[in-house]
Amino acid sequence: GQSLEQPSEVTAVEGAIVQINCTYQTSGFYGLSWYQQHDGGAPTFLSYNALDGLEETGRFSSFLSRSDSYGYLLLQELQMKDSASYFCAVRERSGYSTLTFGKGTMLLVSP
Amino acid sequence: NAGVTQTPKFRVLKTGQSMTLLCAQDMNHEYMYWYRQDPGMGLRLIHYSVGEGTTAKGEVPDGYNVSRLKKQNFLLGLESAAPSQTSVYFCASMLDGNTEAFFGQGTRLTVV
Repeated sequence: GQSLEQPSEVTAVEGAIVQINCTYQTSGFYGLSWYQQHDGGAPTFLSYNALDGLEETGRFSSFLSRSDSYGYLLLQELQMKDSASYFCAVRERSGYSTLTFGKGTMLLVSP
Repeated sequence: NAGVTQTPKFRVLKTGQSMTLLCAQDMNHEYMYWYRQDPGMGLRLIHYSVGEGTTAKGEVPDGYNVSRLKKQNFLLGLESAAPSQTSVYFCASMLDGNTEAFFGQGTRLTVV
């Protein structure tokens, strides 16, 4: 099985940079994904890292280090609309392919 | 394309009643998942399916049953609802070998 650990809450101000960490324990997985969920809404896909290193998509970047069982989501130039919950997720490589999520990090962006 | 559609969006049940939640996707995805989301618990996997006619248990399967008779539909059943099943239920689908899961808008279920 898998387990993913994230901080429960992070706070930041508009225009700042924030990093949300995710550590995981898994026997094997395809890659690390990140999802965003606004209050009352559905999770939506943000990014995916199949290989070690940094992936950049606009203001958002995601990083993976398989040797350290660690990844993070980096949000730059924070905006109020970035206030949401962020989930890391892995899809198991062996057997039936479950998609497992961390408990999520609530990001609160203040003016 | 509609993507992933869940019905109903809201429901109130009495303890002991039964109901079925429907998830429909029009993207020809092989993988489909049912999650429940409770405050502070994140998304917990109930059951999932890797193709038509297949289902498997996730992390919290007790009290739920599923069926995938058609590739586009994944049904979640509650045979005898309990207050502990009060939650928001999300369905998701994903193409085999792909990286992005698509979610429905959720079903808010209250069991009284």
